[in-house]
Order: sequence, then C-alpha cells, then structure tokens
Amino acid sequence: QKEVEQDPGPLSVPEGAIVSLNCTYSNSAFQYFMWYRQYSRKGPELLMYTYSSGNKEDGRFTAQVDKSSKYISLFIRDSQPSDSATYLCAMSGTDSWGKLQFGAGTQVVVTP
Amino acid sequence: DSGVTQTPKHLITATGQRVTLRCSPRSGDLSVYWYQQSLDQGLQFLIQYYNGEERAKGNILERFSAQQFPDLHSELNLSSLELGDSALYFCASSQGGQGIGEQFFGPGTRLTVL
Repeated sequence: QKEVEQDPGPLSVPEGAIVSLNCTYSNSAFQYFMWYRQYSRKGPELLMYTYSSGNKEDGRFTAQVDKSSKYISLFIRDSQPSDSATYLCAMSGTDSWGKLQFGAGTQVVVTP
Repeated sequence: DSGVTQTPKHLITATGQRVTLRCSPRSGDLSVYWYQQSLDQGLQFLIQYYNGEERAKGNILERFSAQQFPDLHSELNLSSLELGDSALYFCASSQGGQGIGEQFFGPGTRLTVL
C-alpha cells in the first residue's frame, strides 16, 4: 500500500464548477501538506502549503487538512479551462527532512 | 517562473552512457532536492543536499550520484544508463534543510535513453 493515495482521474468538470480533489495518507508523522499543479510534464508549481490541521484559502483555492482522518483536500472555485492540469498532493514530516511523498496526481479537465 | 533553473532541457543518449544534470537553486535557498518522474512511478524523491552536505536519501540507485557545490548549484550524475532510466528529472530548492518550508521546482530535464 502506498503512503499517499490519490485518485488519478481524469476528473472532468464544466467551466465555473467547483473542483474537489483529495488525498489520503497512512503516515501519522506527516505534518506539512502541499498541493502542486503540473501542466503537461512541466515542473510542478506550488499552489498551497499548510502545516498540521486546518483550512487555508488563497484566491480561488482552499486547502483543508484533517489529520485525525489522514485526509487532505483542495477545492478550486469558479474553475477555468486554464485550470486543466494534473494536481499533485505532497506531504512530509520533520522526521524525514525534505523528502516529499507525492500522490499519483489527479488529471483535471475543465470544459468550456 | 520558480527561480530554479535546470540544464539541459532535453538529453538523448544511449544505454551504458553517463550524463550529468545541473541545477541552480533559487537565490537564498540552501537545500536542493532531486526527483525522478516516470509514467509508472510518479514523482519519486532521490536525494537532498543542504549547504553542501547530503541530508536525505530516497530510492536512489547506486549508479546515480549527486553533489552540491560551494556556490550551491547541484549536479546529478547518472551512469551505466538503462532504458528504464528514461524519465523527467526535477530539481527543487527550499530555504531550510529540515523539511520545513516550501519546495520550488525547476522546469526539469527530460532524459531519453535509447
């Protein structure tokens, strides 16, 4: 079983809809949680960075972390065709230095 | 643009050969990380350097090695290349070394082994 599970999709939504993405993990030592966006095999772009549990909002993006359930989510409001990309969750703990454990990535397609 | 630069963008070589990938971190970042992304394995952590010293190691093959130089740029050396080494190789950087703080990724080097 992988440490981080993420549904690969694809997830297709109409323009303007809310995109809901999530990851589950098994390592309770994870404390730092990130979401990256990757366009067609380009370098991953950091979208959200959160520490421990709670919510964080940045523009159209909201990240949620529920450590008790080992579950993290990313919501994208008012989705645009330019949001079409692969979204990767990543996480690490202070016991693992900088080693990020990535999910498989979810491909999102926003249709006009 | 993340501020992390990688060269070359593309590399095509033959089995058994050796290549060197180069990474320059963002200004002020002391940590450099190397990741491999293949279609079947996803993004896999290879190795981390912090201010010139190796700090963490992932599933890096013995045929692969890395170093970080005094000017903080890093090189990843891949030798005795096999077809299965074909992948995207990303470098990332962060300010600190203890896994605290965001990691910013470069554009990657696409390696094709024929």
